[in-house]
Amino acid sequence: GESVGLHLPTLSVQEGDNSIINCAYSNSASDYFIWYKQESGKGPQFIIDIRSNMDKRQGQRVTVLLNKTVKHLSLQIAATQPGDSAVYFCAENPLFSGGYNKLIFGAGTRLAVHP
Amino acid sequence: DGGITQSPKYLFRKEGQNVTLSCEQNLNHDAMYWYRQDPGQGLRLIYYSQIVNDFQKGDIAEGYSVSREKKESFPLTVTSAQKNPTAFYLCASSTPGRGTGELFFGEGSRLTVL
Repeated sequence: GESVGLHLPTLSVQEGDNSIINCAYSNSASDYFIWYKQESGKGPQFIIDIRSNMDKRQGQRVTVLLNKTVKHLSLQIAATQPGDSAVYFCAENPLFSGGYNKLIFGAGTRLAVHP
Repeated sequence: DGGITQSPKYLFRKEGQNVTLSCEQNLNHDAMYWYRQDPGQGLRLIYYSQIVNDFQKGDIAEGYSVSREKKESFPLTVTSAQKNPTAFYLCASSTPGRGTGELFFGEGSRLTVL
């Protein structure tokens, strides 16, 4: 596999448990916050986003929570499956991007799901 | 199927050589981007383009060049001026005006300098 996940913080969970991946962001002016999933040797894949005027958004098996007071973003995955094993990145889209998606990415967290 | 195609997937280069990474998309997206990814780090923006014949430097453009002669294509050249070119390079595109943050990524190109 690719080495992009070396030295990343790792979250290990049992199959079927819920996973919570956390992220701290830096720019109070960011308009959107996004989670991406990257499997080994592949490009990142969009999971879910949340606008800055929201606190919570749910998708299929995933929930994103935004706490603007402490600049914290989290991704909750329900009933974690082996296929969820990947590196997860949070990203923010600053208001001043001018229509481009000039995202600022976090370093990533590796999720390891054990049977 | 619509998507982004990057080639080659693996590339080896000797020091002092320029190399060009290909990126083609058939999603009809106007905006295209190049990111660099190093182990244990997030993605960093190299160049981006919103329309043909226009592109802007990202955060780490030094030692790289791009062109946008066609809407579908956004090749990246890693020049000999790039001091540490070994990395995983990702091309992406997005729908114009949709500033939510959804990028569509290719599978990446891994460049190794020998």
